[in-house]
Amino acid sequence: DAMVIQNPRYQVTQFGKPVTLSCSQTLNHNVMYWYQQKSSQAPKLLFHYYDKDFNNEADTPDNFQSRRPNTSFCFLDIRSPGLGDAAMYLCATSPGGQLAKNIQYFGAGTRLSVL
Amino acid sequence: GQNIDQPTEMTATEGAIVQINCTYQTSGFNGLFWYQQHAGEAPTFLSYNVLDGLEEKGRFSSFLSRSKGYSYLLLKELQMKDSASYLCAVRTGGFKTIFGAGTRLFVKA
Repeated sequence: DAMVIQNPRYQVTQFGKPVTLSCSQTLNHNVMYWYQQKSSQAPKLLFHYYDKDFNNEADTPDNFQSRRPNTSFCFLDIRSPGLGDAAMYLCATSPGGQLAKNIQYFGAGTRLSVL
Repeated sequence: GQNIDQPTEMTATEGAIVQINCTYQTSGFNGLFWYQQHAGEAPTFLSYNVLDGLEEKGRFSSFLSRSKGYSYLLLKELQMKDSASYLCAVRTGGFKTIFGAGTRLFVKA
């Protein structure tokens, strides 16, 4: 029973061609995150939503945008992918609540290739 | 700056015990997590420490010393399926979490 679902698992796009990655969750969690992970590197937080409140990391390029139309869905839009954007993109959720552990539950990821 | 350091790789023998260390320097601290990540897959939660001391959970234990900015993950009775990367992560404030690059553990027969 997948709880955080990312589609597609593999995405190939062309240099400069906009691409959208999607994430859905059945956990009814308040917080949703997008991470970029390159080979053998740490997952790097791009941004997160607490409910509808969007929190962008200071070093996330403007090329990356996100939308969360409702609790269950969150999208990552890459407006003009460059070769350096090829990576695994991980979506995660956590319950929210400042006093909670806020364990993050990850989706299986979307591996993006840029040609 | 914010930094989480872990050894890049470790090798251990099936049935043995291995300790994976993590040191951190962050602007805030709201808890430390360990996640397991098999190659090409998503990280999965292993353990959480917010107070000093040892948390035990089956074959896995995790230790935290906040004053030293130090944690370790202890894996006992190693199995081949434990071959994976182990990520140390610190929740720094709000919902922001910083991950280390991970320690790749190889378990040999």
